[in-house]
Amino acid sequence: EDQVTQSPEALRLQEGESSSLNCSYTVSGLRGLFWYRQDPGKGPEFLFTLYSAGEEKEKERLKATLTKKESFLHITAPKPEDSATYLCAVQGGGSNYKLTFGKGTLLTVNP
Amino acid sequence: DVKVTQSSRYLVKRTGEKVFLECVQDMDHENMFWYRQDPGLGLRLIYFSYDVKMKEKGDIPEGYSVSREKKERFSLILESASTNQTSMYLCASKDDGTVNEQYFGPGTRLTVT
Repeated sequence: EDQVTQSPEALRLQEGESSSLNCSYTVSGLRGLFWYRQDPGKGPEFLFTLYSAGEEKEKERLKATLTKKESFLHITAPKPEDSATYLCAVQGGGSNYKLTFGKGTLLTVNP
Repeated sequence: DVKVTQSSRYLVKRTGEKVFLECVQDMDHENMFWYRQDPGLGLRLIYFSYDVKMKEKGDIPEGYSVSREKKERFSLILESASTNQTSMYLCASKDDGTVNEQYFGPGTRLTVT
């Protein structure tokens, strides 16, 4: 069974204070790892897909990296508008459809 | 941009009522999904559909059914709503192909009293 563990559960940063969120996974044959952002009371918004170890993707202040056991979402010089819950999900080799989600990291960036 | 819409943002129903949640996507995606999201439990897959009139159970299908009569529309049905079905319900769609991201709708916050 695929498993995803995100840490920390919650992270509070000052504006401009860079940090990283962690997503550890166990999966039989990783097909893809996905990062989403979710604002309170809204649906998740797609950020990145990573397919293989060593891959990196960037979008504004966010950079996602992937190893064989975990993924990191690096946030550089965050702003208050980056405050959200960040979700990680994996698609394993056993399914063309199913994603297994972590429980998310709640990021708060204070001005 | 992919757009997934859900019929209601907030819904309040009574125990025992039949509840319909509607989802529409405008990107001609073959695959559509229904999740529920609860604090401490994360997103859990209820049902998904990979083609019109085709459906498969997810991890927690008990108490739910689905209908997909048209490609763009996927409905979740609570046959007899119960208080433990109070939750945030999220619809998603995905293009065909083995690895593609899912795009989510805004969610329906359902309260069953």
